[in-house]
Amino acid sequence: DQQVKQNSPSLSVQEGRISILNCDYTNSMFDYFLWYKKYPAEGPTFLISISSIKDKNEDGRFTVFLNKSAKHLSLHIVPSQPGDSAVYFCAARSSGTYKYIFGTGTRLKVLA
Amino acid sequence: DTGVSQDPRHKITKRGQNVTFRCDPISEHNRLYWYRQTLGQGPEFLTYFQNEAQLEKSRLLSDRFSAERPKGSFSTLEIQRTEQGDSAMYLCASSLASGTGDGYTFGSGTRLTVV
Repeated sequence: DQQVKQNSPSLSVQEGRISILNCDYTNSMFDYFLWYKKYPAEGPTFLISISSIKDKNEDGRFTVFLNKSAKHLSLHIVPSQPGDSAVYFCAARSSGTYKYIFGTGTRLKVLA
Repeated sequence: DTGVSQDPRHKITKRGQNVTFRCDPISEHNRLYWYRQTLGQGPEFLTYFQNEAQLEKSRLLSDRFSAERPKGSFSTLEIQRTEQGDSAMYLCASSLASGTGDGYTFGSGTRLTVV
């Protein structure tokens, strides 16, 4: 049972344009969400988080949006840069545990 | 501090052999996690420790798997009688129990290949 889903395995975007990565979840008890970025041969790197009391969190070029009623979150990267090319994972957890459930990832390619 | 360190980076073993991996977390972090990642999948939770106490274990962690964190510092993950299905990247992460739930810091992983 995949509780966190990233339905787009890959995405290509031109440099300077917006990248939008999507994530859906099924467990209504999830109340904290993270995005990670992963380069080949490295561990995932924490990017940005959002709690269920917010609907938006911004950090530089990265913004995460949360739509609780739709059980959907998205990561916006503006402007996209070639160095952003990586696999992006969303992850979610519920209160009372520090165990995150990860999606299967979306491979982003930013074209120069 | 150089972050979360995992050793070895790569391990090739024959089916049926035992293997042990080591993780050294960021020194001030009191939570330590083990995840497993297979090709095309996201990391899957295996277990986590707060200090030396193992607080949660996944059903993925069969009786062939054991993890320890003596003295609440480094951790080891042992797999006994390895099977080909154990081939994966084993990721260790650590975090501070600050209560904010912010993200972990992952190590670069140990890639296990069972032949």
